Amino acid sequence: DAGVIQSPRHEVTEMGQEVTLRCKPISGHNSLFWYRQTMMRGLELLIYFNNNVPIDDSGMPEDRFSAKMPNASFSTLKIQPSEPRDSAVYFCASRGQNNSPLHFGNGTRLTVT
Amino acid sequence: GIQVEQSPPDLILQEGANSTLRCNFSDSVNNLQWFHQNPWGQLINLFYIPSGTKQNGRLSATTVATERYSLLYISSSQTTDSGVYFCAVDSSNTGKLIFGQGTTLQVKP
Repeated sequence: DAGVIQSPRHEVTEMGQEVTLRCKPISGHNSLFWYRQTMMRGLELLIYFNNNVPIDDSGMPEDRFSAKMPNASFSTLKIQPSEPRDSAVYFCASRGQNNSPLHFGNGTRLTVT
Repeated sequence: GIQVEQSPPDLILQEGANSTLRCNFSDSVNNLQWFHQNPWGQLINLFYIPSGTKQNGRLSATTVATERYSLLYISSSQTTDSGVYFCAVDSSNTGKLIFGQGTTLQVKP
């Protein structure tokens, strides 16, 4: 099993540019989560999907953030336009059925200058 | 929402020492996981332990759900154990994990 795969590993961009982060969950997992990690706020949940449907996006900080899951094997998190305060590590995670553990990808380190 | 508190926030050990990390949570949970974030930033799943006791090598964990706490034991610590240990809980059975602020462990040779 390849685990949760995220790309890119690192992203450096200028303020105002669009950023797209990608995630491939573990095959067979039906729930997918996007988290953000910063020194100030720790690990916080942004949005999660169940069977490709967004269930809870209350953690998405602003309208500049959007997430999609067009199929069971792919999700994107988009920031448009990006700002320096969006700099963080963004993690994607997936899990199978209820009462099973959450598995995390290696994260994308985003730097917005 | 549910609150998750971890203690201590920081811990320095000499190699070979044992330690206990604690996680308190404010509501009943369906899921509790312990993670190790290594120096490369990877979140490694250590235990899925909503209740009971589990062991994996030098690490073990116990969750007493009725008293709303979990403990992570590290025995015979090694320098590779250094990093941040997170406790995370799900009180809604949705998979939504709420993370504590972590315990930063440094094991000195």
